[in-house]
Amino acid sequence: EVRLVESGGGLVQPGRSLRLSCAASGFTFDDYAMHWVRQAPGKGLEWVSGIIWNSVEKVYADSVRGRFTISRDNAKNSLYLQMHSLTTEDTALYFCAKDLKVRTKARLFEYWGQGTLVIVSS
Amino acid sequence: DIQMTQSPPSLSASLGDRVTITCRASQTISTHLNWYQQKPGKGPTLLIYATSTLQTGVPSRFSGSRSGTEFTLTISDLQPEDFASYYCQQSFSAPLTFGGGTKVEVK
Repeated sequence: EVRLVESGGGLVQPGRSLRLSCAASGFTFDDYAMHWVRQAPGKGLEWVSGIIWNSVEKVYADSVRGRFTISRDNAKNSLYLQMHSLTTEDTALYFCAKDLKVRTKARLFEYWGQGTLVIVSS
Repeated sequence: DIQMTQSPPSLSASLGDRVTITCRASQTISTHLNWYQQKPGKGPTLLIYATSTLQTGVPSRFSGSRSGTEFTLTISDLQPEDFASYYCQQSFSAPLTFGGGTKVEVK
């Protein structure tokens, strides 16, 4: 059974940093691209960032490029999102998601975690 | 960036109804269109990918189609578990983008 468990969310002041983690199990982690998708309270889904299986390629939404960094540790079956210079606009539930196909940039989300909530407020 | 315009934002329907949700892309995305279902407090689940391919385990009352840059999700014979929010997403090019969502509510 595929499991994705996010952690690291919380209340943070504007301008500060936070690091999110996603622990993956139930599949061969280093065979799949992974993504972060967020959802502001009461709003729709927004893709944030993606990373391919070997970390060679990383892509970002315009809204986070230069502030957020995606990374992965295949030895630990873990995905990360380092977030800097946070603003109130970054307040959201952050989901970790697994791509659909083995070693292919399918760019769609087969499995999702339950999310970790980030609240940016003074 | 490719904009995805989804309609309607919400709809009311009854059990057994046929429901149609539309998503229009701002430019050609070929068949790279996917649909997700989300229930309150949960992460989304993949329903359909590549316009019309049902994800494993998804009931056959769900179907997807395309006409140019307009894509349609159809739910025939609406069931109690289908009351949820639905999102389209283009996987043609980064940045990956979603439609604004459609909430299917009980009439």
